[in-house]
Amino acid sequence: NAGVTQTPKFRVLKTGQSMTLLCAQDMNHEYMYWYRQDPGMGLRLIHYSVGEGTTAKGEVPDGYNVSRLKKQNFLLGLESAAPSQTSVYFCASCRPLAGGSYEQYFGPGTRLTVT
Amino acid sequence: GENVEQHPSTLSVQEGDSAVIKCTYSDSASNYFPWYKQELGKRPQLIIDIRSNVGEKKDQRIAVTLNKTAKHFSLHITETQPEDSAVYFCAASIGAGTASKLTFGTGTRLQVTL
Repeated sequence: NAGVTQTPKFRVLKTGQSMTLLCAQDMNHEYMYWYRQDPGMGLRLIHYSVGEGTTAKGEVPDGYNVSRLKKQNFLLGLESAAPSQTSVYFCASCRPLAGGSYEQYFGPGTRLTVT
Repeated sequence: GENVEQHPSTLSVQEGDSAVIKCTYSDSASNYFPWYKQELGKRPQLIIDIRSNVGEKKDQRIAVTLNKTAKHFSLHITETQPEDSAVYFCAASIGAGTASKLTFGTGTRLQVTL
């Protein structure tokens, strides 16, 4: 049981380049999320998905697109990278439990630098 | 939307002392309040959570208290140890019906010194 995995772990892009970050989970979770983490700003939600084929915007969606074609995968795309998108990106998944616990399981993160 | 404020941003305590981190939230509909611990270079991991129908919850050396009226909740760590050194994040969620989205605080870097 690998939990939540992310590919790649590190990436350096030039301004204007595009890339896709892959998140995969093997826990059969319905909900999946993409966050970015910047120093002093905590974790901010970019996009999320409540099930296969559905996506929605989070707090900071501009400049990113997502797709959830399969339940276990959630892809985050940067169409034209900007230096402001330099960050650590975390994927997470969740399955609401009886009693109201909504523990989110995080992936190991992707460190992206845009020059 | 929900806004979560967290204080202090850094906290240094001596081993064996207690540490307290405080958070406030803005949306009275929030009913789920987790705390995550993130060690350097690692992923955030849930350490304790509380729902709005409970005022306090304890798990060994960590406890969380919730004051719904004042819209604030706190993390208490007793008998701190060097392995407690990490960044701690509080969060709030309306929970079911909103995709269990979490709004995080900005984090508290806890350093436990020998």
